[in-house]
Amino acid sequence: DADVTQTPRNRITKTGKRIMLECSQTKGHDRMYWYRQDPGLGLRLIYYSFDVKDINKGEISDGYSVSRQAQAKFSLSLESAIPNQTALYFCATSDSRDSGNTIYFGEGSWLTVV
Amino acid sequence: TQLLEQSPQFLSIQEGENLTVYCNSSSVFSSLQWYRQEPGEGPVLLVTVVTGGEVKKLKRLTFQFGDARKDSSLHITAAQPGDTGLYLCAGVGGHGGTSYGKLTFGQGTILTVHP
Repeated sequence: DADVTQTPRNRITKTGKRIMLECSQTKGHDRMYWYRQDPGLGLRLIYYSFDVKDINKGEISDGYSVSRQAQAKFSLSLESAIPNQTALYFCATSDSRDSGNTIYFGEGSWLTVV
Repeated sequence: TQLLEQSPQFLSIQEGENLTVYCNSSSVFSSLQWYRQEPGEGPVLLVTVVTGGEVKKLKRLTFQFGDARKDSSLHITAAQPGDTGLYLCAGVGGHGGTSYGKLTFGQGTILTVHP
């Protein structure tokens, strides 16, 4: 079983709909992240959380919100989806005690907004 | 905002050839990581380089961190079809400033090695 699990893995939604992507981890890490991947743009950070009570905007947070329900759970919401939010979304975790700051990624969630 | 320019974006070579992928920035990073991503999966860490001038080898892959910790390269010797994939560099922000502990990713290099 994956240590970082994302649901759903694939979703097609209509413009204007609310969609939530969920992430759970069994690694015991304190830090969690949501990234978006687009061709030719690499991975861009949407939001990150360094512990349960900490939420921070990344470089492309507009149109997104997050909730850190527990240390192991970090969800990403699109309140009113638009077509240019069609992308591959990754949840990731890291351990603040790891001096190498290794990031562990989930398997990704494909989101298509039509 | 820290930026990482990765090049080339696409690389298509024959089995047995050598190749180099570059990551360059005007910013200093506390460390730099290289990831490999296969279709349908998330990126997986290959290596982290921490010290300016550091060279790390992983079988046929050689990673180098620039002396000023602003750039890095990945060199693959005698590429094989199994090396095919997306390679991503990522810089880790250093102490102080808003980038501390966060990764900045390059755009990625799609490598195809033909048999």
